[in-house]
Amino acid sequence: GQQVMQIPQYQHVQEGEDFTTYCNSSTTLSNIQWYKQRPGGHPVFLIQLVKSGEVKKQKRLTFQFGEAKKNSSLHITATQTTDVGTYFCAARERSNDYKLSFGAGTTVTVRA
Amino acid sequence: DAGITQSPRHKVTETGTPVTLRCHQTENHRYMYWYRQDPGHGLRLIHYSYGVKDTDKGEVSDGYSVSRSKTEDFLLTLESATSSQTSVYFCAISESYGTGFGAEAFFGQGTRLTVV
Repeated sequence: GQQVMQIPQYQHVQEGEDFTTYCNSSTTLSNIQWYKQRPGGHPVFLIQLVKSGEVKKQKRLTFQFGEAKKNSSLHITATQTTDVGTYFCAARERSNDYKLSFGAGTTVTVRA
Repeated sequence: DAGITQSPRHKVTETGTPVTLRCHQTENHRYMYWYRQDPGHGLRLIHYSYGVKDTDKGEVSDGYSVSRSKTEDFLLTLESATSSQTSVYFCAISESYGTGFGAEAFFGQGTRLTVV
């Protein structure tokens, strides 16, 4: 099965509100990556987190890697219609970091 | 966008027929991946390659085989297509693995396969 679990599966957000999506693993991860897929498109890389407790920001997006390297979160502030899409986390296991496995994704819709 | 071309982009095939999807890259990246995307399941890894003639199975490899005889091409074959293999197939490449620079994946545009 998939290595990482994402919640929630769907997120309906009012424009201007904040939301968070989570990625959890039962095993320690080598790193975590986040991708965004616009409707009808292909996944596009956003960011990679490697260090325990790492936090990175991209404008209104804040990415965090847990202290135990078993979970990660993506927080979006002041949601805009351009944030619509599906957000995936992806991870490599420490035992086999050739292999890149994705979570099921969080699909975000925005109410104007 | 990275130089990744998937072909065909759309295909309709009959149950029981073999189907081959092609992924071609011009980036000279060593690592290549095949995923399928289905509603509610996200992207599931079918097979991956870590070099010419070096491939391994992902989470959903049953009914699929792959070949990589050249750096630039990674072929996915459905040996005898079934309706459960109706999906969107994505190829991805990465320059490196692990945690280093270049470990991110770049995706092709996808192939929509329908098995009737």
